[in-house]
Amino acid sequence: DIQMTQSPASLSASLGETVTIECLASEDIYDILAWYQQKPGKSPQLLIYDASSLHTGVPSRFSGSGSGTQYSLKINSLQPEDFASYYCQNGLSAPLTFGSGTKLEIK
Amino acid sequence: QVTLKESGPGILQPSQTLSLTCSFSGFLLSASSVGVGWIRQPSGKGLEWLATIGWEDVKHYNPSLKSRLTISKDTSNNQVFLKITSVDTADTGTYYCAHSDYYYFDYWGQGVMVTVSS
Repeated sequence: DIQMTQSPASLSASLGETVTIECLASEDIYDILAWYQQKPGKSPQLLIYDASSLHTGVPSRFSGSGSGTQYSLKINSLQPEDFASYYCQNGLSAPLTFGSGTKLEIK
Repeated sequence: QVTLKESGPGILQPSQTLSLTCSFSGFLLSASSVGVGWIRQPSGKGLEWLATIGWEDVKHYNPSLKSRLTISKDTSNNQVFLKITSVDTADTGTYYCAHSDYYYFDYWGQGVMVTVSS
């Protein structure tokens, strides 16, 4: 199984700041990686697929990058609605695996 | 507009079989590259993929649970089903179904809470 190690587990930031969340795969996943946002009591929502492609309707302040085993999600100019949990997901091979999540809190 | 909605028993006892239904609209499960997956989340914890069924009835299971899982579909009624046998308290959580486009889950249901308790 491909393990996804996500960091940090939690993050405090202020409105307007820029933050980066990292995801490390246990082997090369050839950019077959997604990022999801989940707000409390809600279902996850796809933000980024293929490591860097923005899903329909997702604001451009979200961006993804990386290759091989190392990937990152960057959020520019944090807005109130961005404070949520974020998960990466390996899509290369079954079992599809998620990172353990990053909880982004307002400072 | 793609929508999915999960339904389930709410509460069940250890050793019973959990039966979940995902009713969807806005897409055809017979279309190329389309699938429906099940993902669960214990309260306050992370996401765990369980199984996906694809457009040619191809099925993929999480090996850690494979012996207990059965995924199936009723294409004519736009439904996907998941059965989990021999449940225990570790199976308690929210269960989501989601539309998958190849490898990613781009539309999710609202989730259904399942509690396993004696």
